[in-house]
Amino acid sequence: GQQVMQIPQYQHVQEGEDFTTYCNSSTTLSNIQWYKQRPGGHPVFLIQLVKSGEVKKQKRLTFQFGEAKKNSSLHITATQTTDVGTYFCAARYSSASKIIFGSGTRLSIRP
Amino acid sequence: EADIYQTPRYLVIGTGKKITLECSQTMGHDKMYWYQQDPGMELHLIHYSYGVNSTEKGDLSSESTVSRIRTEHFPLTLESARPSHTSQYLCASRDYNEQFFGPGTRLTVL
Repeated sequence: GQQVMQIPQYQHVQEGEDFTTYCNSSTTLSNIQWYKQRPGGHPVFLIQLVKSGEVKKQKRLTFQFGEAKKNSSLHITATQTTDVGTYFCAARYSSASKIIFGSGTRLSIRP
Repeated sequence: EADIYQTPRYLVIGTGKKITLECSQTMGHDKMYWYQQDPGMELHLIHYSYGVNSTEKGDLSSESTVSRIRTEHFPLTLESARPSHTSQYLCASRDYNEQFFGPGTRLTVL
């Protein structure tokens, strides 16, 4: 079946360092979403990317969608302890298809 | 804050019991989903619905069943709970773009 590969599985960084998680698909995506799940919480929608090569920013977070619409990344600049959690990408292959979640990247931060 | 609710939030039961996990949303969304998730791990889709009287099994084999008699209500039932069912169960509904998740039910089967 269709899969979205997300790496890395875990990332442990010093507070203030940058963090990036990547999602890759072998086939072209219709769109990709990113969610954040705090420890003990539920996933919360962050953003959706639709266009080839799209880049969106939310404060210290930068989201990119590849030119071929097969990969995406989430980059956090100068991490803070409030960034702790698991970040999931979620992809759709067509407007009618289900959302397929990546396996998530768990971010932990050393103060 | 999303208007999607799950009850109970926590449940500890014995093996063999029948349980129903409740999920309701007040946003009028047609699409609803059930996921199973161990703490900090990936989300496994177990059931979904695209509207009233529509239900489908997801990617993860599950011994649970669902029903969708009303748009706002999407309960999940385990006929005979087992320790392997211990997990968190997340309900979600979707508008055109975004999935809204409920707070989850943490189930422990002894």
